[in-house]
Amino acid sequence: EAGVAQSPRYKIIEKRQSVAFWCNPISGHATLYWYQQILGQGPKLLIQFQNNGVVDDSQLPKDRFSAERLKGVDSTLKIQPAKLEDSAVYLCASSLSYTVATGELFFGEGSRLTVL
Amino acid sequence: EDKVVQSPLSLVVHEGDTVTLNCSYEVTNFRSLLWYKQEKKAPTFLFMLTSSGIEKKSGRLSSILDKKELFSILNITATQTGDSAIYLCAGGKAGNNRKLIWGLGTSLAVNP
Repeated sequence: EAGVAQSPRYKIIEKRQSVAFWCNPISGHATLYWYQQILGQGPKLLIQFQNNGVVDDSQLPKDRFSAERLKGVDSTLKIQPAKLEDSAVYLCASSLSYTVATGELFFGEGSRLTVL
Repeated sequence: EDKVVQSPLSLVVHEGDTVTLNCSYEVTNFRSLLWYKQEKKAPTFLFMLTSSGIEKKSGRLSSILDKKELFSILNITATQTGDSAIYLCAGGKAGNNRKLIWGLGTSLAVNP
């Protein structure tokens, strides 16, 4: 079974530039998550989709971050303009169901962003 | 405010040692406690615990949840260098959005 695919793996940009990350979840997984993980910290949920609808985006800095999942499959996370503090690994995860009972999230390998 | 606290933050042991990692939580509408292992790449799922006092075991790893005292432990026996990783604990909230509250992780280094 193919895992969660993310690209690019690494990106270096200057502050105030823009960047976009792409995620393709495991086939059939209805729920997709974008997490931000800063070095030394646990993952922070940015946005959660159920199919193509947003379930939770309460921690997404909406003045500079945006995300979409137009057809309920692939998703794109964009940052514009980037700040130094956005340097982090952006993890995409998917799960079969949005119910807590099953529990397991499958993570992609992440996209490491460095803002100079 | 929901929070998950892991201890210790970092740990260095020798191969063959047994380690215990701790996770305490304060999560409203608590439903489950999850453990993940994160090496250089993405976190990988270890355990999900929903019932108090029932140990879950996978090889040399085991975990148990205490819902009265609001904590969980992850035990690793006969540690190997391949166990070196960050171990993340997350509290799962009940409800339709399956929100996870993550701890900062415990960084484990196993020396040969």
